[in-house]
Amino acid sequence: AQSVTQLGSHVSVSEGALVLLRCNYSSSVPPYLFWYVQYPNQGLQLLLKYTTGATLVKGINGFEAEFKKSETSFHLTKPSAHMSDAAEYFCAVRRDSGNTGKLIFGQGTTLQVKP
Amino acid sequence: GAGVSQSPSNKVTEKGKDVELRCDPISGHTALYWYRQSLGQGLEFLIYFQGNSAPDKSGLPSDRFSAERTGGSVSTLTIQRTQQEDSAVYLCASSLVPRGDTEAFFGQGTRLTVV
Repeated sequence: AQSVTQLGSHVSVSEGALVLLRCNYSSSVPPYLFWYVQYPNQGLQLLLKYTTGATLVKGINGFEAEFKKSETSFHLTKPSAHMSDAAEYFCAVRRDSGNTGKLIFGQGTTLQVKP
Repeated sequence: GAGVSQSPSNKVTEKGKDVELRCDPISGHTALYWYRQSLGQGLEFLIYFQGNSAPDKSGLPSDRFSAERTGGSVSTLTIQRTQQEDSAVYLCASSLVPRGDTEAFFGQGTRLTVV
């Protein structure tokens, strides 16, 4: 069975500081990995995804993530936090198993950015 | 349409009443998903549609929950005899195909409050 663990339900950083949101997955086969962001009272927006190929994936708003198979991790980073980055972030895994393509989400991490 | 549309955006209902939540996916998307987002439970998969068929209903929490999709487009999630624990945000997502490497686009969600 697949699962996703996000370490830290709340992360607080200062504006301009490095953002690091941790995600580990459990899957019997290499999965497809996603990071979504949710702003207050809005739906989920895709930040980036890893499917195949280059393990360092760049997304929108300056975010990137690196797929590390040996560590079963897909941590999300941004070199310099901006106030507008304050939101909830979800890591998710998706497989073709059964051809459903359903997403399995982590519990989410709320990012607070302090001025 | 330009994106996934859900209605209503907010719904307050009395315990024991039935509610219907609507999802209009992106035109041409064959795969449609319903998720539930509640405090303490994170984002839970409810049901997946491929066309008008629902090959994966494994996430529906009880037989009070049902869903249908017509014309390979609009989907309705129905909750009968609502209970307070049904209070949550219900999110709909669609994908062009139900393949793991494709993006799922989310609607804004319907916030259901059972009083």
